[in-house]
Formats: sequence, structure tokens, C-alpha cells
Amino acid sequence: GNSVTQMEGPVTLSEEAFLTINCTYTATGYPSLFWYVQYPGEGLQLLLKATKADDKGSNKGFEATYRKETTSFHLEKGSVQVSDSAVYFCALLPRNSGNTPLVFGKGTRLSVIA
Amino acid sequence: DAGITQSPRHKVTETGTPVTLRCHQTENHRYMYWYRQDPGHGLRLIHYSYGVKDTDKGEVSDGYSVSRSKTEDFLLTLESATSSQTSVYFCAISGEGTASGYTFGSGTRLTVV
Repeated sequence: GNSVTQMEGPVTLSEEAFLTINCTYTATGYPSLFWYVQYPGEGLQLLLKATKADDKGSNKGFEATYRKETTSFHLEKGSVQVSDSAVYFCALLPRNSGNTPLVFGKGTRLSVIA
Repeated sequence: DAGITQSPRHKVTETGTPVTLRCHQTENHRYMYWYRQDPGHGLRLIHYSYGVKDTDKGEVSDGYSVSRSKTEDFLLTLESATSSQTSVYFCAISGEGTASGYTFGSGTRLTVV
């Protein structure tokens, strides 16, 4: 079946530190991959996406590269800010999914301290 | 997001009472979804809809029903609320070509006492 595994949180970093949140997936074929972010008290927002192997999604200084050989889509940012404190969700959409909904990981909470 | 609204934003209800949550969209999107979010579980799909009167169950559908009588509204009903249904409920929408991802509402915090 289709599944997403994210690193357990919480992750606590100092401001300007480098961030990596690991995400690996299991899927038939080559899914589309997404990162969503949830700020406190809000719904999820799409952060970035990649729809085929070797694509790199990027937004707001965050990047993730679709790695088919390692079935991974790790989220990175070179220098985090306090405002990046949030919960991050990795998700996949199976290729030719028809009605199949997005499959989410369990989320990783990031806290950035000044 | 301005294209999707959930109501109410907060609700406290008693065990055994029926509760209906509403999701309204102005994007004319075909697909609508209801999720619940709980600590340690992330997001879990309750029900979803792929068109008017077309719905299907998600992984945690027991105790919930849905209705979609028009494109813009997707209702989630707890027939007889239980304390285990205390949660934050999110609605999401997506259009055709779902590589565009989902747009989420701001959530409804439901407490069953």
C-alpha cells in the first residue's frame, strides 16, 4: 500500500541552524510528493511539491528533492527562523490516483529558539 | 484560505448528542475531504467526496456520516457524539489534476464532554 514515514519530533533548533526533516515513502509507481506546513492554530498550507523523480520543490527558503532511488523527499532549510516554528507534514499522491486521497505522514513539530 | 470556510470554529457538546460540521467552498472544486487531527496520529481521513452525492469512507469513518447535496457544501455529522471524537476537524478541497495539492480550512475544534 501507500504510506509516508517522517522522522519523529519534536525538533528543536537555534535560529540560523540548518534544518533537515526526513521523509520516506512507499508507493506503487511514482507518486507526486508534497510538504505541508501547519502554523499554530491554523490549517495546513502547501509548502512545496514535486511531481516526478529528480524534481526539486522550493518555497520560502525550504527545499526538497524527489529521490526515486531512495524513495525519499527530505525537507531542508539552510537557516531557520523563529517564524518557521510549526508542524511539517510530508504527503504523497499516488500516480493515476483517480479518487485516491493524499496520504499524510504523522507530522514533525519544529521549534526554533532565538 | 478565503476559498474554503469551516463552521463552527469551536464547539462543545455533550456525549450522545448529534453534531454537524459544515465545510463551504467557493472554488467549485470537485473533491472535498474531512480529516481529524489528534496528537500522535497526525491527520486521519474520515470521509471524502468526489462529486455531488458521491462519497467514500476513509480510514476512521466509524461514527461519522457525510452528505454533499451541492458542490460547495460538505457536511460531517457525528450521529451520537462520544468523548473519543474530541478532536480538531479539518476540511480540504482539491480540483482536477490533484498534483496541485489540497487547500485546507482553518479547522473546527470539537470537545465532547
